[in-house]
Amino acid sequence: AQKITQTQPGMFVQEKEAVTLDCTYDTSDPSYGLFWYKQPSSGEMIFLIYQGSYDQQNATEGRYSLNFQKARKSANLVISASQLGDSAMYFCAMRESQGFQKLVFGTGTRLLVSP
Amino acid sequence: DAGVIQSPRHEVTEMGQEVTLRCKPISGHNSLFWYRQTMMRGLELLIYFNNNVPIDDSGMPEDRFSAKMPNASFSTLKIQPSEPRDSAVYFCASSLGDSSYEQYFGPGTRLTVT
Repeated sequence: AQKITQTQPGMFVQEKEAVTLDCTYDTSDPSYGLFWYKQPSSGEMIFLIYQGSYDQQNATEGRYSLNFQKARKSANLVISASQLGDSAMYFCAMRESQGFQKLVFGTGTRLLVSP
Repeated sequence: DAGVIQSPRHEVTEMGQEVTLRCKPISGHNSLFWYRQTMMRGLELLIYFNNNVPIDDSGMPEDRFSAKMPNASFSTLKIQPSEPRDSAVYFCASSLGDSSYEQYFGPGTRLTVT
């Protein structure tokens, strides 16, 4: 079974609008961490945001927030006030405590922000 | 900080040749990871080290791949002999080692095997 599922291969949003990128995960480990990374066309992987399984509040980092719904096993990334520079691939990843530090990535969602 | 440094950034080689990819992690980070990214398989973890010791190499595709970390500031990923299906972007990443810390990725090495 897929550990991380990103069902949206591509998403379109207009500049200044908000967009939600979906991520669901599968684990039986009670302790885990969820990450989002951005990969622009230049190829580097940029860390965006982290959510721990025991964190009571949803993580936020500037225009990025993580909508963490533990019972649904979802960790959607919300980007507010989209900018043209947000156009990129976005990867959701999970780290289980039993997997030491191993990160498992989803297949990614390509976001295109239009003017 | 300079971030994770990888070299070369691009490598083109012929099938059967040996390829060595290099990585310098962020100073002070005690965990190092090698990933491979392809269109077909996405991002895959090949191997990771903690305090220079290989912890999990289950992602290494076959015996042609080997990785070393002789000290805290240097790691290599070697492919010998290389094959066209090894063509991919290879990323090195490092982290502080605690489970809550993110991994910082290098710029990647784009390998093309003809």
